Amino acid sequence: GENVEQHPSTLSVQEGDSAVIKCTYSDSASNYFPWYKQELGKGPQLIIDIRSNVGEKKDQRIAVTLNKTAKHFSLHITETQPEDSAVYFCAAIPLVGSSNTGKLIFGQGTTLQVKP
Amino acid sequence: SAVISQKPSRDICQRGTSLTIQCQVDSQVTMMFWYRQQPGQSLTLIATANQGSEATYESGFVIDKFPISRPNLTFSTLTVSNMSPEDSSIYLCSVVPWGLAGRKQYFGPGTRLTVT
Repeated sequence: GENVEQHPSTLSVQEGDSAVIKCTYSDSASNYFPWYKQELGKGPQLIIDIRSNVGEKKDQRIAVTLNKTAKHFSLHITETQPEDSAVYFCAAIPLVGSSNTGKLIFGQGTTLQVKP
Repeated sequence: SAVISQKPSRDICQRGTSLTIQCQVDSQVTMMFWYRQQPGQSLTLIATANQGSEATYESGFVIDKFPISRPNLTFSTLTVSNMSPEDSSIYLCSVVPWGLAGRKQYFGPGTRLTVT
């Protein structure tokens, strides 16, 4: 089955710097890759996602890149702010046959700290 | 997206007892899922809640321990049965709104369970 590895486990940056979180997946049939932000005491919030037929997607200060050949995808946050501090999770949804199961397989999470 | 509520938001329970967690969505959804997040860990899928039929459980999770109901397109319950301290976790429901073909998935705020 699908396995998602996420690095680093913790990341500390100065306000205004960029942050990059990387994930690799094992199942080449996976075709959808979301990123979630989880603040303390809250449920995960979908912040950006990418499909396997797209190489890059941007939404203001957040971008995601996908390399299907290498089976890895990354989250890029530019001009970081203290409110970006949270735990970030990558995930993948594998296909079963031709069906999208909707079952999210999560990475281990990255705790991002943005220092003012 | 959808507005998702969970009840209770947190509870402290005695070992050997059971707790039923409710997940309510403000609009009809196609898929509903239940996840577990152990302290400081990532999210693990427990089961897919199927409307009007038995839930589909992931490896390591069984119906006797985690019975799930989904009587309609906006509501589901997860029961944690015969609890032990190892069941102390955050339990999260997630949903896929209509038309998103098993992709964009949104999470509820979670139920924080402590078993003593």
